[in-house]
Amino acid sequence: QTVVTQEPSLTVSPGGTVTLTCASSTGAVTSGYYPNWFQQKPGQAPRALIYSTSNKHSWTPARFSGSLLGGKAALTLSGVQPEDEAEYYCLLYYGGAQHYVFGTGTKVTVL
Amino acid sequence: EVQLVESGGVVVQPGGSLRLSCAASGFTFDDYTMHWVRQAPGKGLEWVSLISWDGGSTYYADSVKGRFTISRDNSKNSLYLQMNSLRTEDTALYYCAKDMTFDIWGQGTMVTVSS
Repeated sequence: QTVVTQEPSLTVSPGGTVTLTCASSTGAVTSGYYPNWFQQKPGQAPRALIYSTSNKHSWTPARFSGSLLGGKAALTLSGVQPEDEAEYYCLLYYGGAQHYVFGTGTKVTVL
Repeated sequence: EVQLVESGGVVVQPGGSLRLSCAASGFTFDDYTMHWVRQAPGKGLEWVSLISWDGGSTYYADSVKGRFTISRDNSKNSLYLQMNSLRTEDTALYYCAKDMTFDIWGQGTMVTVSS
């Protein structure tokens, strides 16, 4: 069973920078996994932020960026705002098995 | 406005069946792959299934394979999830989502499997 692991929680100060990572139990994450990133606030549906590693949706704030870092997918929040406090999930595509796996989620606290 | 609206969630007994629906509007439905994703209470997201634009290809998470069937009716701009042999662990909020980028999500419909 494939497991996609994220940091359980991270704390960042307003205006600061934080990087979330997304690791696959099968090995290094590459662009071929088409990493997606989502933000979810309590009581709300997930909101898409990043697709295919680093592409932003039209509504994605400029302070969010996606990349590959040390064999993992990464989401960096620069100039963090209080409204960025949320749960963040990555999603990886496993083409061989034709399925997707969400990461375990990272709770970001802005303090 | 691009919108997805799920419906059909209820309380059902273990072993029972249920069909969820997702009504799409504001975009050309038959241009896009569609997904079902679920979230158990207080837990993370779990991808459930996808269907290609024409319904010709379908894929499932191992946890639901053989029990759930995804389908679509492009003439009705609708996506479906037929859920059979339901288990308590299928209790979750079920979302539909659009495209390989999962760019648009509905608000979800709650399925509770309990005796």
